[in-house]
Amino acid sequence: QQQVKQSPQSLIVQKGGISIINCAYENTAFDYFPWYQQFPGKGPALLIAIRPDVSEKKEGRFTISFNKSAKQFSLHIMDSQPGDSATYFCAAPQTGANNLFFGTGTRLTVIP
Amino acid sequence: DGGITQSPKYLFRKEGQNVTLSCEQNLNHDAMYWYRQDPGQGLRLIYYSQIVNDFQKGDIAEGYSVSREKKESFPLTVTSAQKNPTAFYLCASSISLGGEQFFGPGTRLTVL
Repeated sequence: QQQVKQSPQSLIVQKGGISIINCAYENTAFDYFPWYQQFPGKGPALLIAIRPDVSEKKEGRFTISFNKSAKQFSLHIMDSQPGDSATYFCAAPQTGANNLFFGTGTRLTVIP
Repeated sequence: DGGITQSPKYLFRKEGQNVTLSCEQNLNHDAMYWYRQDPGQGLRLIYYSQIVNDFQKGDIAEGYSVSREKKESFPLTVTSAQKNPTAFYLCASSISLGGEQFFGPGTRLTVL
């Protein structure tokens, strides 16, 4: 079964610090790697996504770094804010299907 | 407003009862999905539908059933055969299979 391994499970960062979440994937059927942000009791919302024809994509304080040869990608949150406190999920395409396989999530807490 | 709606927000069920969760979208998306979310396990795919009158099993379809009679609607029935149905259920849609997924607000099902 296609798997995505996400780490760490939880992360505590001081306000203004950098939050880094990592994901590793197996083989994929197509190239689309999104990150979702979820607040308690809400549905996930797309935060940022990358297609690995580029090694990095930046949107504001959020950056995805992609290493295709290592089959790894990571989310960096610069200048982390208390409002960033949420659970973050990475996802990767499933082999043999046009579906996404989600990581187990990282609960981020940003301390004021 | 375009989006995905799920109802009800909270649902309580007695053991042995079937229950149906509603999912409606007005985004004109062809593909729709149902996920189950449990603490520490991320999002797991139950069923998905690429187009009206077509649907496929996901990774954890046992004990669930779906229908896709209309493009806008993709209801999920949790049957009495589902051994551990208490969870947070999320519906999502995308323009086409494999595209960016938009999530609804979720339904929290509790079996008493």
